[in-house]
Amino acid sequence: AQSVSQHNHHVILSEAASLELGCNYSYGGTVNLFWYVQYPGQHLQLLLKYFSGDPLVKGIKGFEAEFIKSKFSFNLRKPSVQWSDTAEYFCAVIPTGGGNKLTFGTGTQLKVEL
Amino acid sequence: DAGVIQSPRHEVTEMGQEVTLRCKPISGHNSLFWYRQTMMRGLELLIYFNNNVPIDDSGMPEDRFSAKMPNASFSTLKIQPSEPRDSAVYFCASSPPGAPRGYTFGSGTRLTVV
Repeated sequence: AQSVSQHNHHVILSEAASLELGCNYSYGGTVNLFWYVQYPGQHLQLLLKYFSGDPLVKGIKGFEAEFIKSKFSFNLRKPSVQWSDTAEYFCAVIPTGGGNKLTFGTGTQLKVEL
Repeated sequence: DAGVIQSPRHEVTEMGQEVTLRCKPISGHNSLFWYRQTMMRGLELLIYFNNNVPIDDSGMPEDRFSAKMPNASFSTLKIQPSEPRDSAVYFCASSPPGAPRGYTFGSGTRLTVV
């Protein structure tokens, strides 16, 4: 079965700092990859997704992620974070042609300080 | 589009009582998922339905939990009898047919069992 690892559980940054959150998955075939964000007290919202094509995916609010197949990674980046980016971020994967069950990582709690 | 609608938003109940959580997926979506989120265990998939049929209920904690989807526009998650350790936020999500496109989450039900 596939699994998703998010190695950073808690990240604290100052405003304007650059962000990179790690995500690695274990699955031998092709996958669809997602990043979700959960703002405090709210539900999960889709940030961006990768299905095929350009491995650099741009999402909402200035976020982007790069799929590196050889490393089984899909790291999330943002050049300059804002206080409003304080949230929990979840990476998720669905194997292509493997049904519709998303496997989520354990999440990374990001706190952006003023 | 009203999104995935969950009710109630908050539920406080006494131990031993029956609790029913409700979900209305997005019209046209044919997959529905129930998740539980706690600080200790993170985001857990409890059960998911495809075309109203339960596909994977391996995440349902025990027999006290049951879920139904009598039609394409409605699902319930029932806990009977409830226990304090069931306190969590319960999310419902739905996704459209075809290739995996990621889920749309509802706003969740915050359940407190005292």
